Amino acid sequence: AQSVAQPEDQVNVAEGNPLTVKCTYSVSGNPYLFWYVQYPNRGLQFLLKYITGDNLVKGSYGFEAEFNKSQTSFHLKKPSALVSDSALYFCAVRDPYPTGRRALTFGSGTRLQVQP
Amino acid sequence: EAQVTQNPRYLITVTGKKLTVTCSQNMNHEYMSWYRQDPGLGLRQIYYSMNVEVTDKGDVPEGYKVSRKEKRNFPLILESPSPNQTSLYFCASSSLSRGAEAFFGQGTRLTVV
Repeated sequence: AQSVAQPEDQVNVAEGNPLTVKCTYSVSGNPYLFWYVQYPNRGLQFLLKYITGDNLVKGSYGFEAEFNKSQTSFHLKKPSALVSDSALYFCAVRDPYPTGRRALTFGSGTRLQVQP
Repeated sequence: EAQVTQNPRYLITVTGKKLTVTCSQNMNHEYMSWYRQDPGLGLRQIYYSMNVEVTDKGDVPEGYKVSRKEKRNFPLILESPSPNQTSLYFCASSSLSRGAEAFFGQGTRLTVV
């Protein structure tokens, strides 16, 4: 069974500093990995994904993520945090097999707090 | 604008009173699914549909029903809601392309008293 772990419930960072939100995964075969962001009273918004290819994936709003197969990690990063980045972030993995039920398995979420 | 629309956004109901949460997408996606979000648990899949008239259980299907009579609509039905179904519900859709990301609705906050 596939699983995702986000070890930090909350990450605090000062505006302008780099940020990292951690994610590790467990899945059979090559993973499809996603990051989503949830702002208060909003749905989940897609940030970026890793399917294949370059290990460094660039996404929306200046975010990027690094896929590390040996460490089974997919950490979300941003070089310079903004107060407006404060939100709840979810890492997710999906069954890579075309006949599977394509469910996204989510981590428990990490709340990012960027202080001015 | 590409979107997934859920209604209602907020709902308070009493135990046992049947309710339906509607979901509609305008992207012609084949795949649709429902998730519930609970604190500390992330999102868990309730039901999914690969196409019209094709639905199946997700991880937490007990107490829920769905139907897919049209490609764009995927309603979630709670025939006899109970307090443990108090949660935040999300509808999502995607194409069947292998790497396709899911698009999510705004969410429905359901309280069952």
